[in-house]
Amino acid sequence: AQKITQTQPGMFVQEKEAVTLDCTYDTSDPSYGLFWYKQPSSGEMIFLIYQGSYDQQNATEGRYSLNFQKARKSANLVISASQLGDSAMYFCAMREGLSSASKIIFGSGTRLSIRP
Amino acid sequence: GAVVSQHPSWVICKSGTSVKIECRSLDFQATTMFWYRQFPKQSLMLMATSNEGSKATYEQGVEKDKFLINHASLTLSTLTVTSAHPEDSSFYICSASRSGMVSDTQYFGPGTRLTVL
Repeated sequence: AQKITQTQPGMFVQEKEAVTLDCTYDTSDPSYGLFWYKQPSSGEMIFLIYQGSYDQQNATEGRYSLNFQKARKSANLVISASQLGDSAMYFCAMREGLSSASKIIFGSGTRLSIRP
Repeated sequence: GAVVSQHPSWVICKSGTSVKIECRSLDFQATTMFWYRQFPKQSLMLMATSNEGSKATYEQGVEKDKFLINHASLTLSTLTVTSAHPEDSSFYICSASRSGMVSDTQYFGPGTRLTVL
C-alpha cells in the first residue's frame, strides 16, 4: 500500500530564507507521481509542483523545487526566498501509476509560518 | 483553464437531514472525480473515486449508503450526505482529472464546509 510521511507538523522560518519541507514515501509501484500542494487558510488546494518517478531531473517551478531522492524515497520541497504569503499548510502527495485517473493520497501536512 | 467549482461553499443543516454537494469541472471533461473530507487541522482523506457513468469506488471505512456519489456527466459529480449527524461536520473537497491526461495533477474545487447542528 502506498504511504506518505511528513514528519514536520510545523515550521517557523524568517522571511527571505530558504526552507525545506520533508516528505518520504513508500510504494511498490515503479511508476508513480509525487505532488506538493499549498493550502492557505481559505481552504483551497493550490498545486505547486510535480515529479514523476521516471523523471531524471528534479522538478522546478519558480521559487519551488523538488529534491527527489529516489533511492531514499524522499521528495522534499524547497522554497527559496520565502515570503510572508508562503505561510500556509503544505501537503506532500503521491499517486501510484502515472494516469491522472488514479487516486492521490496525502501526507499529514506541515504548517509553515514565515516571520517578518 | 482547468477550473473546478463546488456548490454550495458552505451549508448548515439540522441533524437527520440530507445535504447534496455539487462538483463541476467548468472548462474540461473529467472522466474521474474524487471526493475528500478534511477535519480541522488534519489532512485530506480520500472518501471515494467517482467515474462517469459507473458506480463510485469507496475507500475502506467510508459508508457508501451514507455518502451517495453520482457522476452522471463528464462535468458533474454530486455527493449526498444522507441523514447527516454532527460528526459529519467537515470540509468536503472534490477534485477532477482531465480525461486522457497522463502525469497531470488533479484540479481541486474550493471546498464545501458542512456544519450539522
